[in-house]
Amino acid sequence: EVQLLESGGGLAQPGGSLRLSCAASGFTFSHFAMYWVRQAPGKGLEWVSTMSGSGGSTYYADSVKGRFTISRDNSKNTLYLQMNSLRAEDTAVYYCAKDQPTPPHFLDYWGQGTLVTVSS
Amino acid sequence: EIVLTQSPATLSVSPGERATLSCRASQSVSTSLAWYQQKPGQAPRLLIYDASNRATDTPARFSGSGSGTDFTLTISSLEPEDFAVYYCHQRNNWPLTFGGGTKVEIK
Repeated sequence: EVQLLESGGGLAQPGGSLRLSCAASGFTFSHFAMYWVRQAPGKGLEWVSTMSGSGGSTYYADSVKGRFTISRDNSKNTLYLQMNSLRAEDTAVYYCAKDQPTPPHFLDYWGQGTLVTVSS
Repeated sequence: EIVLTQSPATLSVSPGERATLSCRASQSVSTSLAWYQQKPGQAPRLLIYDASNRATDTPARFSGSGSGTDFTLTISSLEPEDFAVYYCHQRNNWPLTFGGGTKVEIK
């Protein structure tokens, strides 16, 4: 059974940092691209970042480029999101999700999310 | 950036009735479009991918259609568990984008 468990959310001050983790199980982690998607309170879904299975390719939304860094440790089956220079508009539930095994590679499993609140 | 516009924002439907949700893309996404269902306090769940393919465990009452810029999600006969928010999502181009959602509520 595929499981994705996010952690690391919490309260951060504007300009501060947080690191989110997503522990994966139930599939061969290194074979799949992984995603971070966020949802501000009462709002819709916003794609944040993607990393290929090998870690060789990364993609970012313009809204987080230069501030957030996606990474993964395939030996630990864990995906990370380092968030720096946090802003109030980064307040959201952050979900990690995995790729489908075949094209067109939509997001087929999602974690339950971790809440990040940026406030002074 | 490809903008996905969903309509209506809210759809009031009685159980057993048919629901038709629309998603329009600002430029062609071919068939690289998916639909997700999200219930309160839960993560999104993949329902339909590649415009018309049902994901694992998606009931047959859900169907997707369309290509290019106009897409439809149809729920043939609403069950109580289908009342939720539905999002369309494209991955034909970076950045990946989602529609604003359609809330299907009980009439």
